Amino acid sequence: GAGVSQSPRYKVAKRGQDVALRCDPISGHVSLFWYQQALGQGPEFLTYFQNEAQLDKSGLPSDRFFAERPEGSVSTLKIQRTQQEDSAVYLCASSLGGLGNTGELFFGEGSRLTVL
Amino acid sequence: GDSVTQMEGPVTLSEEAFLTINCTYTATGYPSLFWYVQYPGEGLQLLLKATKADDKGSNKGFEATYRKETTSFHLEKGSVQVSDSAVYFCALRDYNQGGKLIFGQGTELSVKP
Repeated sequence: GAGVSQSPRYKVAKRGQDVALRCDPISGHVSLFWYQQALGQGPEFLTYFQNEAQLDKSGLPSDRFFAERPEGSVSTLKIQRTQQEDSAVYLCASSLGGLGNTGELFFGEGSRLTVL
Repeated sequence: GDSVTQMEGPVTLSEEAFLTINCTYTATGYPSLFWYVQYPGEGLQLLLKATKADDKGSNKGFEATYRKETTSFHLEKGSVQVSDSAVYFCALRDYNQGGKLIFGQGTELSVKP
């Protein structure tokens, strides 16, 4: 597609459920980023992929969070045993170049997760 | 670690008023600086950027100058419009720190007719 696509746009989960959030980056983009945006806050970095390699996962808040990009295109962010503090908008961004590139990051509209 | 601090919002202005949103940063390296905008119901969009000291980024009437001596990147517009109502995020990207964007907390701007 023309832009970064994320699904679902909205997800309501009961505490303890597992969720999976999908990101379709712009075709051909090498870099893919996941961010978490709490209400009224700026996006916080979670993890970074260059093609299929996860080069930085320093922002993942706990081992309940897991991300993959097995074929270097679509990425999935999985959250196991969701907690209320996981409620946030999860943003995906892609960029044409690899690590160290100065190109623009293009963001999707985000997936809003609400944990009850 | 690297960080970005923005002036708190919400900021409410009348149409055609002058806008300044302050942004300061802390970085160990020599980052590039950005302003992103998030219109209601839409994703983050790049508004402007500057990659080195004294560079001025500009777009849609908005400007920001990379000031290394004051570690600042304040956003300005001479005459705001109702359509500028959005949340504005200042961000930095330090390629020596992996190249991820680090954002400020955002400043909500509301422009009244």
